[in-house]
Parts: sequence; C-alpha cells; structure tokens
Amino acid sequence: DTGVSQDPRHKITKRGQNVTFRCDPISEHNRLYWYRQTLGQGPEFLTYFQNEAQLEKSRLLSDRFSAERPKGSFSTLEIQRTEQGDSAMYLCASSPGTGQNTEAFFGQGTRLTVV
Amino acid sequence: GQNIDQPTEMTATEGAIVQINCTYQTSGFNGLFWYQQHAGEAPTFLSYNVLDGLEEKGRFSSFLSRSKGYSYLLLKELQMKDSASYLCAVRPKGSNYQLIWGAGTKLIIKP
Repeated sequence: DTGVSQDPRHKITKRGQNVTFRCDPISEHNRLYWYRQTLGQGPEFLTYFQNEAQLEKSRLLSDRFSAERPKGSFSTLEIQRTEQGDSAMYLCASSPGTGQNTEAFFGQGTRLTVV
Repeated sequence: GQNIDQPTEMTATEGAIVQINCTYQTSGFNGLFWYQQHAGEAPTFLSYNVLDGLEEKGRFSSFLSRSKGYSYLLLKELQMKDSASYLCAVRPKGSNYQLIWGAGTKLIIKP
C-alpha cells in the first residue's frame, strides 16, 4: 500500500491522558499536514511540515498539542491532558514538494474518543 | 473573518445533473479545491481552480469566479456511488499551504 497510513485507526482514552498518533506519508512527499475533523464539519487545519520543518501552525492549536517530523518522513501528533472536546477524527495528508496546486492525499484518519 | 458557505444537503436522481455551490470570504485568494468524502473515509481530491472559468474532468466540472467569491461543482450522469459529502476548500493569500474548508455538502442520490 503506497498511500498515506495512520496509526491507530481508533483510540479511546480517558480524560487527562496523553495520546500520540502516527502518520506515514507517501514516500517522497515532503509536505505533510495534520487536520482535525468533527462530524458534519470540514477538516480544520492544525499544522504543516515541509520536510522536518514545521512551517505553519494553527492559532487554534493549544499548547497541549505538539507535532513532530524528526527525519522528514513519518510524523507524530501528541495531545497532552486530553479533554472531551478533543474527540474528533485526526487526518494526516501529504503532497509532493512542487507547486501550490498539488493535491493533498489524505490518510484514513485516527478517530479519537475521550471519555 | 474567513468563511466558506455550502448547502448542507442536496438530493438528486441517478442519471441526472447536480450543481453544488460554494461561496467564500477569505483574506485574499490563492486557489480553490473540491474534495469528495464518503462516510467514514478520507477526503479525495476532485479539482483545483485558481483562474476564472470552468475546469472539466470527466463527469465532474468545477467553475470559479474570483470577483464573486463563488465556485460550483457540477456532477453529470449521476451514479449511486456519487453519494458522498463534497467539500470546498480555499487557500487564502499569505498562507503557503493552509486550506480553509467548508462544512461540506451531503449529496444523496436516489434511484
């Protein structure tokens, strides 16, 4: 499978716990994005990486959220001290490094439920 | 603020044509995307417009008018598998790669 893969697909956690999600982009895609999507809404931008550099970060992203892409390949998104409002689908996408009209390819997402 | 508006839900008949509208107010404009999303699945790319006019790709076409802040997605010869949500997303000026997304239009196809 050469698409964007995310792990885990589902995560149930208790409020206050930390969670970490992983995204493996399409190989040779140097752009990587994290989005959050709730039911009936479009994706909400969280952050963007070009290779290992985090170039954009949403102002909506609280300091409980952190993302890394240490070697410019896979990325992790960590949420500390989870809250019920964090329950959502977390989507990762990647795109090639040339041009602004290049489409982003999305992974299947990680569905987080905070109880 | 930045805002993207789409109808919440539309219904159409198999074999027919449907037009899904999208209006936007963003801080500048640097491209508009349409994505399809089936329930429980990831969004998949349909089209990209940055200049005014119509872009045709098989059964799907997308139109853009930058002066009106308006786009539409036209789906022809509707098939049952076209039942999905259709998301409009705009890249505002000043952001290299961030997209502002609409809430999506749920399209229901009836036999």
